Amino acid sequence: GEKVEQHESTLSVREGDSAVINCTYTDTASSYFPWYKQEAGKSLHFVIDIRSNVDRKQSQRLIVLLDKKAKRFSLHITATQPEDSAIYFCAAVNTGNYKYVFGAGTRLKVIA
Amino acid sequence: AQTIHQWPVAEIKAVGSPLSLGCTIKGKSSPNLYWYWQATGGTLQQLFYSITVGQVESVVQLNLSASRPKDDQFILSTEKLLLSHSGFYLCAWGRGLGSDYTFGSGTRLLVI
Repeated sequence: GEKVEQHESTLSVREGDSAVINCTYTDTASSYFPWYKQEAGKSLHFVIDIRSNVDRKQSQRLIVLLDKKAKRFSLHITATQPEDSAIYFCAAVNTGNYKYVFGAGTRLKVIA
Repeated sequence: AQTIHQWPVAEIKAVGSPLSLGCTIKGKSSPNLYWYWQATGGTLQQLFYSITVGQVESVVQLNLSASRPKDDQFILSTEKLLLSHSGFYLCAWGRGLGSDYTFGSGTRLLVI
């Protein structure tokens, strides 16, 4: 089946530095790429997304980049803060068949 | 505003016993509904989805079943629990294809 590989299982950065989480996908029909954050012991919530008709999107300190040729997308968190510490999940969505495939998650730790 | 409620919050059940988990969405008509299972360690697996009352599609076979008896209700169940059913069960709703999910707060299940 289709897969999403999340390259960093864990990531530690110093407060104020940038964090980058990379994902690759296999389904060439994927056209929607959301990111979710899961804080310790809690459920997931949506943070940002990008659609295949653009290659960059920014929301405050979050930037998502999409390279369709390489089937790769990434989440950049700038000026990290301790509250950014969480597990981040990427997903690739084939909007034609309801298949929403998640990566395995990246545990981000922001060190004060 | 839409709200999503999952119950129970947590369960400890014996192997071989039945299980029923519930999810309700208020403030949204005809939502697309999803069940996910998160194993210890973080991987998310889509279990079922439903786009209308009475219709449920299975994504993986884990000796679980799902039903949508009402527009705002999604039920996950099994007659006989296995140890491998332990984990975190998440219900989510989405506006349609290519939209972000809103997740419920989840149910933690421990099968002993």
